[in-house]
Amino acid sequence: GAVVSQHPSRVICKSGTSVKIECRSLDFQATTMFWYRQFPKKSLMLMATSNEGSKATYEQGVEKDKFLINHASLTLSTLTVTSAHPEDSSFYICSARASEGNTIYFGEGSWLTVV
Amino acid sequence: GQSLEQPSEVTAVEGAIVQINCTYQTSGFYGLSWYQQHDGGAPTFLSYNALDGLEETGRFSSFLSRSDSYGYLLLQELQMKDSASYFCAVRDSNYQLIWGAGTKLIIKP
Repeated sequence: GAVVSQHPSRVICKSGTSVKIECRSLDFQATTMFWYRQFPKKSLMLMATSNEGSKATYEQGVEKDKFLINHASLTLSTLTVTSAHPEDSSFYICSARASEGNTIYFGEGSWLTVV
Repeated sequence: GQSLEQPSEVTAVEGAIVQINCTYQTSGFYGLSWYQQHDGGAPTFLSYNALDGLEETGRFSSFLSRSDSYGYLLLQELQMKDSASYFCAVRDSNYQLIWGAGTKLIIKP
């Protein structure tokens, strides 16, 4: 079946540094990828929608200069958390919509801890 | 605004049947999905309803009534491993998923 892989699954970084999370569709092409954030015991919160080859569309309240999203190819989207702060610590999940069909597949998620 | 409502917590005993309801108010509707999430993991897809009626997949069933903007997830023969959070999500007119806040299912032996 279709697989979406996120890397790294867990990352710890120091305050002020930047960290990049990759989201790859392994056996299908994804024209659209979604990035979510989940706080403990809360629902997923959509951060942004990225379409291959164009700028991401950010949800209200999400700082686009802080959460840089790049969707350079049909199989890869990256989320870079810039100048990370402890409050950025969270679970980040990507999902991808296949070019063919409308099924959305989720990545495994990435735990970010900023110390 | 767009919203989905589901109970925050449901408790049941092992072997029983439990129903988790979801009502929605969204701009456009392209199907109701259910996801299961164990603590610390990503959500996993359970079911999808685009048309009215009941969809059955093993011990899990999902129901949709578009006229009532309502659906539910039915879990039968509950097992301890079913303890998790269950999210309903609606695909809106932009094909984005609008999520409910999740229902924590607690199963007692």
